[in-house]
Amino acid sequence: KAGVTQTPRYLIKTRGQQVTLSCSPISGHRSVSWYQQTPGQGLQFLFEYFSETQRNKGNFPGRFSGRQFSNSRSEMNVSTLELGDSALYLCASSFLPTSTDTQYFGPGTRLTVL
Amino acid sequence: GQQVMQIPQYQHVQEGEDFTTYCNSSTTLSNIQWYKQRPGGHPVFLIQLVKSGEVKKQKRLTFQFGEAKKNSSLHITATQTTDVGTYFCAAAGTTGGFKTIFGAGTRLFVKA
Repeated sequence: KAGVTQTPRYLIKTRGQQVTLSCSPISGHRSVSWYQQTPGQGLQFLFEYFSETQRNKGNFPGRFSGRQFSNSRSEMNVSTLELGDSALYLCASSFLPTSTDTQYFGPGTRLTVL
Repeated sequence: GQQVMQIPQYQHVQEGEDFTTYCNSSTTLSNIQWYKQRPGGHPVFLIQLVKSGEVKKQKRLTFQFGEAKKNSSLHITATQTTDVGTYFCAAAGTTGGFKTIFGAGTRLFVKA
């Protein structure tokens, strides 16, 4: 069974631009969660989608948004990029909502904002 | 709101020494999961604890869930260089939308 895939793996953007990251979960998984990982802040929860509905949201500004498609693939969008948005963005999938099920993480997208 | 504290932030050990990381929640948890992230890698699931006072073992790793379901620990016996990485606890609360909150992680360094 293929694992969680994320595209692109690396991205360089400049301040003010926007970016869209993609996550394909493990086949059959309906839950996708997004996390921001930085050296100083650890793993910060962004949001969770389950069966195309946003189930939970972390404490991030409205510049961060996401969605999930009927095939469970998910996208995350960050508008008006700031230098502080430079981070590793991880998505994780699970069959059930993450509060009750194992999360399988993808390799991440490394975003650098210049 | 739900908060998860994980200590220590870093731990340097000599190969063969034991290692423990602790995770504490301000609220009662429905379950807790542990993940390991190798340097340059992504978090990988280790185990999930659900029951009060639960203890689970995986070879040299022992996981415990507190009686009050507010704290947990991961203990590694006789560390090896392959144990290096960051260990995260991920706690799911019983209120507030059942969000899973990750601890800040404990980074383990093992000196051969």
